[in-house]
Amino acid sequence: DTAVSQTPKYLVTQMGNDKSIKCEQNLGHDTMYWYKQDSKKFLKIMFSYNNKELIINETVPNRFSPKSPDKAHLNLHINSLELGDSAVYFCASSQFTRTVAFFGQGTRLTVV
Amino acid sequence: GQQLNQSPQSMFIQEGEDVSMNCTSSSIFNTWLWYKQDPGEGPVLLIALYKAGELTSNGRLTAQFGITRKDSFLNISASIPSDVGIYFCAGFYGGSQGNLIFGKGTKLSVKP
Repeated sequence: DTAVSQTPKYLVTQMGNDKSIKCEQNLGHDTMYWYKQDSKKFLKIMFSYNNKELIINETVPNRFSPKSPDKAHLNLHINSLELGDSAVYFCASSQFTRTVAFFGQGTRLTVV
Repeated sequence: GQQLNQSPQSMFIQEGEDVSMNCTSSSIFNTWLWYKQDPGEGPVLLIALYKAGELTSNGRLTAQFGITRKDSFLNISASIPSDVGIYFCAGFYGGSQGNLIFGKGTKLSVKP
């Protein structure tokens, strides 16, 4: 049973397109996150949701919009994709904020 | 923004050797976490530390929460080839809704 699952695992798309990445957790956690990992493997938080409410929104272009339909899901929609958006995006969840986060397998986004 | 300084950046060792890596910060952290990331996967939690001075083991891994609360180290004893991967320290920074921020990782290579 996968605890935090993301789809798709790979996404190749052209500049200017709009795409979504889906995330679901079956751990019953209250908090979910999106992280971006760049080519140098640096992990940086983008968003954090607690019980469907946005609690952290780091300096991320407003082309990125998270959506949480319920506390088990946190999707990431990206408009007008740019080359610099190419990265691996990780979804994660934790029981509460400030506790251990469990990560999904990542979505490798390549913008061409 | 807040940063965690993780060193070394990379290590290339012989199987059976012990490994040590550490993380430092200019700010106080209340929680230190150590993750391992295998290629194509998300980070997986190895050890969580919640109290200054705490020393915790997980098999051949040992981690400590520095007494100043500004640092942590991870040791791996008698390394084996499957220890290969990228090791990240992470800590919670900020108030009750604080971010989980990551060090830049230590890439470990083990020669059989």
